[in-house]
Amino acid sequence: QVKLQESGPGLVKPSGTLSLTCAVSGGSVSSEDWWSWVRQSPGKRLEWIGEIYHSGSASYNPSLKSRVTISVDRSKSQISLNLTSVTAADTAVYYCARDLGIAVAGTARFDPWGQGTLVTVSS
Amino acid sequence: SYELTQPPSVTVSPGQTAKITCSGDKLGHFYASWYQQRPGQSPVLVIFQDNKRPSGIPERFSGSASQGTATLAISGTQTMDEADYYCQAWDSGAVIFGGGTRLAVL
Repeated sequence: QVKLQESGPGLVKPSGTLSLTCAVSGGSVSSEDWWSWVRQSPGKRLEWIGEIYHSGSASYNPSLKSRVTISVDRSKSQISLNLTSVTAADTAVYYCARDLGIAVAGTARFDPWGQGTLVTVSS
Repeated sequence: SYELTQPPSVTVSPGQTAKITCSGDKLGHFYASWYQQRPGQSPVLVIFQDNKRPSGIPERFSGSASQGTATLAISGTQTMDEADYYCQAWDSGAVIFGGGTRLAVL
């Protein structure tokens, strides 16, 4: 059974870079699945950030694309998220999730999700 | 921009059928998925590809879709079904989610 565990700093300063890691266990990041990041604002709205395949091919939400990089480390079975130039609007719970479909094909479905990690942007 | 619209709340009596709608121009063209999120927990996939249930999801959860609308139905609703429910689909460029519906079982 695949399990996902997010980790990283809980507090980031404005204009800084948010960096998170997602550890994948019980399965392989080299499987035929995509691996996504989704965030949930304090108001509970969900927003897809992007996803990556084990080959390194990635797709991003156009609204965040200029600030986002998602990478995969197959040796460590980890997915990483970098979000630059953060503001208070980036304060959210960040989840990693396995995509059993393919986002760009319109078949995305996320299962399972990690427990999430709260990141607050504040000075 | 493309949006998915859900009612903020739905109330149902125990044992009755709850229906939660999701409206969006491209529903029926792109698949809809549905997620359940209980307080303090992560979302859980309950319906994908409009009407399919993942393994382990009770049969009382069902989904349907037609042009412009996707619907999640929960038959024989139980108090454990109280949660926020989110629809999800694809726009030209991004996965998008509805704003969520709080289901109350009273």
